[in-house]
Amino acid sequence: QKEVEQNSGPLSVPEGAIASLNCTYSDRVSQSFFWYRQYSGKSPELIMSIYSNGDKEDGRFTAQLNKASQYVSLLIRDSQPSDSATYLCAVNIGGFQKLVFGTGTRLLVSP
Amino acid sequence: DTGVSQDPRHKITKRGQNVTFRCDPISEHNRLYWYRQTLGQGPEFLTYFQNEAQLEKSRLLSDRFSAERPKGSFSTLEIQRTEQGDSAMYLCASSPLVSSSNEQFFGPGTRLTVL
Repeated sequence: QKEVEQNSGPLSVPEGAIASLNCTYSDRVSQSFFWYRQYSGKSPELIMSIYSNGDKEDGRFTAQLNKASQYVSLLIRDSQPSDSATYLCAVNIGGFQKLVFGTGTRLLVSP
Repeated sequence: DTGVSQDPRHKITKRGQNVTFRCDPISEHNRLYWYRQTLGQGPEFLTYFQNEAQLEKSRLLSDRFSAERPKGSFSTLEIQRTEQGDSAMYLCASSPLVSSSNEQFFGPGTRLTVL
């Protein structure tokens, strides 16, 4: 079992729709969870962080965490073509400072 | 621009050559990380510094790889006797020590191609 798992996609949504991206992780003691956006050929950009169960909203983005189910998700409301990118889920594993990344989900938003 | 900077942005080398990359973290960020990313994969952790101390190192990291942060500011990553499998994007990230959240901010990366 991979430490952090994501569906590679692509996830295709029409402009204006809600995009839902999901991530599961294996380490029950993980405390910090992050979503990064990565455009093709560019480096990852931090867009959301979440540390406690529940929802955290920032603009059009909402991160959701369920530690009991070892599940974290990212919702993007009113999706725009400029949101088309790969979204990487990252988790602190085992109490270490390093982040463990999933392989990313490619999101395509069509006009 | 006060973000993480990396130099060079691109490096093409021949197999067997040594290469060195530099990373300048965000000012006052005590923590510095190196990751490697290949096509279709997420970044893979290589090593972590807190100030000048190297505190974590991936067990997968070959002894051909070495990293330093001598004054607790910029860091260098050296790859000796490069192999074609070393071709990847090498990413540097930094985070502030005072943050318990460990939010890491990435630089633009150095793309290495080994011929």
